[in-house]
Amino acid sequence: DGGITQSPKYLFRKEGQNVTLSCEQNLNHDAMYWYRQDPGQGLRLIYYSQIVNDFQKGDIAEGYSVSREKKESFPLTVTSAQKNPTAFYLCASSIIGFMNRGVNEQFFGPGTRLTVL
Amino acid sequence: AQTVTQSQPEMSVQEAETVTLSCTYDTSESDYYLFWYKQPPSRQMILVIRQEAYKQQNATENRFSVNFQKAAKSFSLKISDSQLGDAAMYFCAYRSAYLGTYKYIFGTGTRLKVLA
Repeated sequence: DGGITQSPKYLFRKEGQNVTLSCEQNLNHDAMYWYRQDPGQGLRLIYYSQIVNDFQKGDIAEGYSVSREKKESFPLTVTSAQKNPTAFYLCASSIIGFMNRGVNEQFFGPGTRLTVL
Repeated sequence: AQTVTQSQPEMSVQEAETVTLSCTYDTSESDYYLFWYKQPPSRQMILVIRQEAYKQQNATENRFSVNFQKAAKSFSLKISDSQLGDAAMYFCAYRSAYLGTYKYIFGTGTRLKVLA
């Protein structure tokens, strides 16, 4: 089955540590995204990528970094510079362009819950 | 820049009744897509319904339907015969249809409670 996987489901970090959240998709989507969600809040865009080796900052990129070495993979690193990283992180993917009418929504992974100890 | 506004932080509905969640958006574009996503307590985001702006007909998916008013920039979600499993956060989202644009703009969400 096609879809998006995120790992781990739960992650604990000590202060001062960098941690990496995994996101893999087998939907053959070009675009991938990372969102942060705080309790009771909406989705805030961290980074997004349209193509391999290219990505753009979203609204809250400070303290985060990403890479896009393969089309299927878009890992997110939460660095020690992120002062309040405890949150729920969602990865998503989508097609790009406008020719594919009818299949243009984002597909989401199950999320990773990050807690700073 | 486009914006999406959900003015109802929380709504309640009696089981088997009908409820309407509001969403308004602001854009200068004429071709775009609109979506409603559901996020249950599992936190998995699930697409409920999509609407393409060039289509005048309102989208429907079983008990879910939308009222798309393009001139008013309004995109409300109607849930008929509400069920306990409908309890969730609901997010409205916008995406431009133009080539090269692939950001999605989300509203802040509406928490729907279903009362037995």
